[in-house]
Amino acid sequence: QKEVEQNSGPLSVPEGAIASLNCTYSDRVSQSFFWYRQYSGKSPELIMSIYSNGDKEDGRFTAQLNKASQYVSLLIRDSQPSDSATYLCAVNTRAQGGSQGNLIFGKGTKLSVKP
Amino acid sequence: DTEVTQTPKHLVMGMTNKKSLKCEQHMGHRAMYWYKQKAKKPPELMFVYSYEKLSINESVPSRFSPECPNSSLLNLHLHALQPEDSALYLCASSQDLGTGYKCTFGSGTRLTVV
Repeated sequence: QKEVEQNSGPLSVPEGAIASLNCTYSDRVSQSFFWYRQYSGKSPELIMSIYSNGDKEDGRFTAQLNKASQYVSLLIRDSQPSDSATYLCAVNTRAQGGSQGNLIFGKGTKLSVKP
Repeated sequence: DTEVTQTPKHLVMGMTNKKSLKCEQHMGHRAMYWYKQKAKKPPELMFVYSYEKLSINESVPSRFSPECPNSSLLNLHLHALQPEDSALYLCASSQDLGTGYKCTFGSGTRLTVV
């Protein structure tokens, strides 16, 4: 069973702080990793994708991938109250015997940024 | 604004009703998906279409019937649903089917079965 694990939180950080969200995955052949933000009652919104080891920065967001440790993280710098949402880690794994992959989601980490 | 459009946004239906959810994208994506999301749970994959053909059916009950009339449209036909089927139904699309492609989600249809 391919799994994606996240701490459910809530993770509470003060405004302006760095929020660190973590995710581990079980399928060693996973190739693509995504972070989605989901506000309450809304649909998931893609905020970061990462495919190779190391860091990828986009504005206040940095995704980090370590395939050897099967670990992916998301850092949010200068956190704002508007960042308060559930952050879903998603891993795209290769289906057995095929080239196509399916997105497997973690349960999400609820982030609360306090003014 | 999302580039994947879902209608209706809200739907209340009885257990004997037949209804359909609709999804449309004009990004030229060739893979389209239906996900189901219960409260405080992650999205769960239901169906995948690739080039208008059903590629994956994640053992979804037959009371859910997908249809892909063309490369831009995806429907989900509902019949004889149960109250436990109440959830947010999400449509998504990606450029193609494969591990590197990003999924874009629609705003969802919130379904309540009474």
